[in-house]
Amino acid sequence: QKEVEQNSGPLSVPEGAIASLNCTYSDRGSQSFFWYRQYSGKSPELIMSIYSNGDKEDGRFTAQLNKASQYVSLLIRDSQPSDSATYLCAVNKEGGYNKLIFGAGTRLAVHP
Amino acid sequence: EAGVTQSPTHLIKTRGQQATLRCSPISGHTSVYWYQQALGLGLQFLLWYDEGEERNRGNFPPRFSGRQFPNYSSELNVNALELEDSALYLCASSSNTGDRNGELFFGEGSRLTVL
Repeated sequence: QKEVEQNSGPLSVPEGAIASLNCTYSDRGSQSFFWYRQYSGKSPELIMSIYSNGDKEDGRFTAQLNKASQYVSLLIRDSQPSDSATYLCAVNKEGGYNKLIFGAGTRLAVHP
Repeated sequence: EAGVTQSPTHLIKTRGQQATLRCSPISGHTSVYWYQQALGLGLQFLLWYDEGEERNRGNFPPRFSGRQFPNYSSELNVNALELEDSALYLCASSSNTGDRNGELFFGEGSRLTVL
């Protein structure tokens, strides 16, 4: 079992729709959760972090965390073609490990 | 403010040679991370340096090594290069404070090609 799992996609959504990206993780000791966006040929950039159960909203992005189910998701409202990228889920285990583990990423395609 | 800078952008080597990649973190960041991103694969954790010390390493052979200098810049060395070492090597830095661990800022990467 992979430590962090994501559907590879592509996830295709029309412009203006809600894109829902999902991620599961295997280590119950995980404490910090992150979503990174990576455009083709570019390096990843942090878009959301979440540390406690529930929802966290930032503009058009909402991160959701359920530690009991070991599940974290990212919702993108009013999707735009510029949101087309690969979205990487990353999980960190506290306690000085600082070994941020990335999922393989979900490719999102927003079509006009 | 300058971001994370990496050099060289591209590097071509042959099997058995050594490669050295360099990284300068964002000013004020003490932690440097190295990741390997092979074509079609996700980011694989290589090494974490903080305050000049290696703090953690991923599941890579010992021929992958590095160091962090007093100015917090870092170097990744790959010895005895193999074809499968061809990948994008990403360096990231963070302030490594409390629950912000994991908020990494990445450089543009160094693409290593092994022939």
